[in-house]
Amino acid sequence: AQSVTQLGSHVSVSEGALVLLRCNYSSSVPPYLFWYVQYPNQGLQLLLKYTSAATLVKGINGFEAEFKKSETSFHLTKPSAHMSDAAEYFCAVSPGGNTGKLIFGQGTTLQVKP
Amino acid sequence: ETGVTQSPTHLIKTRGQQVTLRCSSQSGHNTVSWYQQALGQGPQFIFQYYREEENGRGNFPPRFSGLQFPNYSSELNVNALELDDSALYLCASSLSRTGGYNEQFFGPGTRLTVL
Repeated sequence: AQSVTQLGSHVSVSEGALVLLRCNYSSSVPPYLFWYVQYPNQGLQLLLKYTSAATLVKGINGFEAEFKKSETSFHLTKPSAHMSDAAEYFCAVSPGGNTGKLIFGQGTTLQVKP
Repeated sequence: ETGVTQSPTHLIKTRGQQVTLRCSSQSGHNTVSWYQQALGQGPQFIFQYYREEENGRGNFPPRFSGLQFPNYSSELNVNALELDDSALYLCASSLSRTGGYNEQFFGPGTRLTVL
């Protein structure tokens, strides 16, 4: 069965510092991988997705993620954190096939300090 | 273009009652998925509807049921509510049922509290 593990339930960075949110997946087949962001009292917004076209994926708001098959990882990064980046971040995997269900990790809360 | 909308925003029910949550999909989308997000957890897949038929189900008991209408809007029904059903219920629509390529657009959710 496919699964997603997000390392670190809380990450705190200073404004302007590098953001690194970790995600490891378990999949027996080439996966589709996603990062979503959730602001308080809102739904999920797609940041970026990996669909095997390129291992380095660029998303919205300056975020990017690199797919590393050998490490089964899909870590999310942003060179310089902004206060507005404070939110909950979820990594997700889709098994593909005829059901587009998403399997989410537990989430990582990003705190950005001034 | 109207995004995914859900109603109501908040709901309070007592144990044993029944509840119906509603979702309007984004224009042109024929697939709706429902997720349950407990406090402090990631969303969990409940089921998906594609062209009015159930198209996949997660590990949820039969008292969780759904419908999709000809205009592709959807309902989630939960019978015999339990305290553990308290959660944010998210609806997501997509252009098609196949995973991966088709981005799922999420609504703001319905916060259900069971007392």
